[in-house]
Amino acid sequence: EAAVTQSPRSKVAVTGGKVTLSCHQTNNHDYMYWYRQDTGHGLRLIHYSYVADSTEKGDIPDGYKASRPSQENFSLILELASLSQTAVYFCASSDTGGGQDTQYFGPGTRLLVL
Amino acid sequence: GDSVTQTEGQVALSEEDFLTIHCNYSASGYPTLFWYVQYPGEGPQLLFRASRDKEKGSSRGFEATYDKGTTSFHLRKASVQESDSAVYYCALRNTGYQNFYFGKGTSLTVIP
Repeated sequence: EAAVTQSPRSKVAVTGGKVTLSCHQTNNHDYMYWYRQDTGHGLRLIHYSYVADSTEKGDIPDGYKASRPSQENFSLILELASLSQTAVYFCASSDTGGGQDTQYFGPGTRLLVL
Repeated sequence: GDSVTQTEGQVALSEEDFLTIHCNYSASGYPTLFWYVQYPGEGPQLLFRASRDKEKGSSRGFEATYDKGTTSFHLRKASVQESDSAVYYCALRNTGYQNFYFGKGTSLTVIP
């Protein structure tokens, strides 16, 4: 069974502070993704990566950085957290080779910025 | 660009009612279409997918048929149960691209 874990599961941050969300997958997948979930907006892609040491911008990258130090790990970094970044964040992995293009999601991180 | 539209934001049904959640997409070529389900406190998980015209995906009594003519992938279930209460997302991935596009989600509440 595919496995994606996220830490922390919840976090309270102060405006202007730095926040790092971590994601770890044991699926041996090449692709990893960061989404944010907001009521009324569904899931929106922030950053993704298809290989270690490389990241790509998604649809809403402003205010976020990403880091992929290894195939298994993918971090989302908020250098200067803002109130508008309060949301639930999901990490996902997928292996698009051979038509197996299902995304496997982690349990999410609930971030509250005060 | 590619996009997915789910018409219903919230749906409330009684047990054994028939469910339809509408999903329409905009994409060039032949995208793969997905339905994901998200239970409270969890991440979304794949319900099923379809990758060619007229292909029917199904799982746990839910089904949807890929219709390229109407660019639709509507989710249906004949008789819902309380345990089906969840958020349902329609999504697509276009051929040759690695991004997945999700609809805004439909929150289903089934009243016992």
